[in-house]
Amino acid sequence: GQNIDQPTEMTATEGAIVQINCTYQTSGFNGLFWYQQHAGEAPTFLSYNVLDGLEEKGRFSSFLSRSKGYSYLLLKELQMKDSASYLCAVKDSNYQLIWGAGTKLIIKP
Amino acid sequence: ETGVTQTPRHLVMGMTNKKSLKCEQHLGHNAMYWYKQSAKKPLELMFVYNFKEQTENNSVPSRFSPECPNSSHLFLHLHTLQPEDSALYLCASSQGEGTGGEKLFFGSGTQLSVL
Repeated sequence: GQNIDQPTEMTATEGAIVQINCTYQTSGFNGLFWYQQHAGEAPTFLSYNVLDGLEEKGRFSSFLSRSKGYSYLLLKELQMKDSASYLCAVKDSNYQLIWGAGTKLIIKP
Repeated sequence: ETGVTQTPRHLVMGMTNKKSLKCEQHLGHNAMYWYKQSAKKPLELMFVYNFKEQTENNSVPSRFSPECPNSSHLFLHLHTLQPEDSALYLCASSQGEGTGGEKLFFGSGTQLSVL
């Protein structure tokens, strides 16, 4: 079967750095996405990785290792508004999106 | 107005009711999707429409019936639902039905409670 694993919940402190991991076992790979979802709101696109390496976008970076079936989302200089759920999703060989259950990130002052 | 708009935001219905969820996108996209989001579970794809044609039906029970009259509007008709159907129903759109990095644009969802 196909599976995406990410931690259910994480807690971090305002101003700090947090890394949210995502491991996947899928039939094929055609890219990995990260989305952010604030409570009661729409998920919004954060990043897309299809090649190995680190993609940086301001305070957020996303890393991919296809050989390890592994990605992480790195959030720097955490702000209270970063409290949200972070969803990892992989496109398989049929270009179907396989979703993780999401990681709820709680930021404390 | 821009983006993806869903109505209603909240819906409470009995098991014998019939209701419809509406989604409208103002992005000029060609593909539209219905997803079900239950607490602490992955998003479940229900239906996909590409250029108004249904291209995906992920073994969804017949009590859920989609309708896509044009590439900007998508409906989900509900009838004789079960309590386990209570969830957040998300609509999304994308430029194409992606073989690449097409990102999804989501609406804020309809929080459905079936009593």
